[in-house]
Amino acid sequence: GESVGLHLPTLSVQEGDNSIINCAYSNSASDYFIWYKQESGKGPQFIIDIRSNMDKRQGQRVTVLLNKTVKHLSLQIAATQPGDSAVYFCAETPSSNQFYFGTGTSLTVIP
Amino acid sequence: ETGVTQSPTHLIKTRGQQVTLRCSSQSGHNTVSWYQQALGQGPQFIFQYYREEENGRGNFPPRFSGLQFPNYSSELNVNALELDDSALYLCASSFRGNYGYTFGSGTRLTVV
Repeated sequence: GESVGLHLPTLSVQEGDNSIINCAYSNSASDYFIWYKQESGKGPQFIIDIRSNMDKRQGQRVTVLLNKTVKHLSLQIAATQPGDSAVYFCAETPSSNQFYFGTGTSLTVIP
Repeated sequence: ETGVTQSPTHLIKTRGQQVTLRCSSQSGHNTVSWYQQALGQGPQFIFQYYREEENGRGNFPPRFSGLQFPNYSSELNVNALELDDSALYLCASSFRGNYGYTFGSGTRLTVV
């Protein structure tokens, strides 16, 4: 079966610092990856995505890096703000039918 | 443009009972996926519906079943509830072939 895991279950950062959240995946056939943010009492919210033919993609204050050689994905958040506090999930899929989610990293931003 | 809405938001059921959860997909979306999220875990894929038919299923027993209606809304039915079915049930809609999933806020099911 699929296995998507995260290196750290919790992460605390100072407001204004950069955050890096890591994720490992096991399926070499996965061709699409997404980072989701989930706040308490809400469903996952799309942050940024990347296809397997890319190594890096940037959005507003966020960057996703993909290393296919070691099957590793990371999410970088620049100038972390209190509103970034949430649980972050990476998800991967070899098709559009289903996504395989990791267990999540809880990010806490310290004011 | 409305997002994905789920009802009810919270539900308490007794072991052995049956439950129906409902989902209205985002306008313009024709595919609905259901996920189960246990406390402290990532969402796990239950199944997906497209054109009123099941279009992919995760590792869940047959007592988990679903429906999709002509207006693309969907229901998740769970029979013979077990304590381990306690979880947040998430519905996500998308347009067929597009990875742009929109999740609802979920239904929190507690089985006692």
